[in-house]
Amino acid sequence: DTGVSQDPRHKITKRGQNVTFRCDPISEHNRLYWYRQTLGQGPEFLTYFQNEAQLEKSRLLSDRFSAERPKGSFSTLEIQRTEQGDSAMYLCASSSNWGRENSPDTQYFGPGTRLTVL
Amino acid sequence: AQSVTQLDSQVPVFEEAPVELRCNYSSSVSVYLFWYVQYPNQGLQLLLKYLSGSTLVKGINGFEAEFNKSQTSFHLRKPSVHISDTAEYFCAVSEGGAGKSTFGDGTTLTVKP
Repeated sequence: DTGVSQDPRHKITKRGQNVTFRCDPISEHNRLYWYRQTLGQGPEFLTYFQNEAQLEKSRLLSDRFSAERPKGSFSTLEIQRTEQGDSAMYLCASSSNWGRENSPDTQYFGPGTRLTVL
Repeated sequence: AQSVTQLDSQVPVFEEAPVELRCNYSSSVSVYLFWYVQYPNQGLQLLLKYLSGSTLVKGINGFEAEFNKSQTSFHLRKPSVHISDTAEYFCAVSEGGAGKSTFGDGTTLTVKP
């Protein structure tokens, strides 16, 4: 078990460009979360998947953001037409709640992808 | 809606001194509470969690926290800190089910020699 991995670790882009981040969760974890963390603040929930189904999206997530988890394993987060306000650390976490639908699960976080929009 | 307030943005302390990082939450339902630590350029690592049962929860690295329902608090404590405890600490609350967490803005703990 190698933990949650994210790629790339750093991304610098120009305003208006599209970017895509990848998250590989811990194998066999059925839940996957995306959070955004800006300087001086805690992580903010963006969206989460249970298997391949995207079950919830934050109202913070504008229509420029899209996330997928096509086979219930890795996930991608795409930001279209990036803006300077998108600069942040994007964190992915995974967890397993098999058989405990109403119980909170321990989320294991990846190292994050730091996005800088110039 | 749930929310978390970490009452101190920065806590400087000398090595081997005790420390308390304060966290208050608000929620309309029963909650589950967590403390995470984040070292520079790393992801978050779970220190401890309260789900139910005993209100005193012990975690890794000698940390513990006490759930106080009447005061809606979940303060983190350590009796003697080390230089290596210097990091950002986040309190989080979950209402269960979906499992998503709401985080506070963090407390920077700086341990000085």
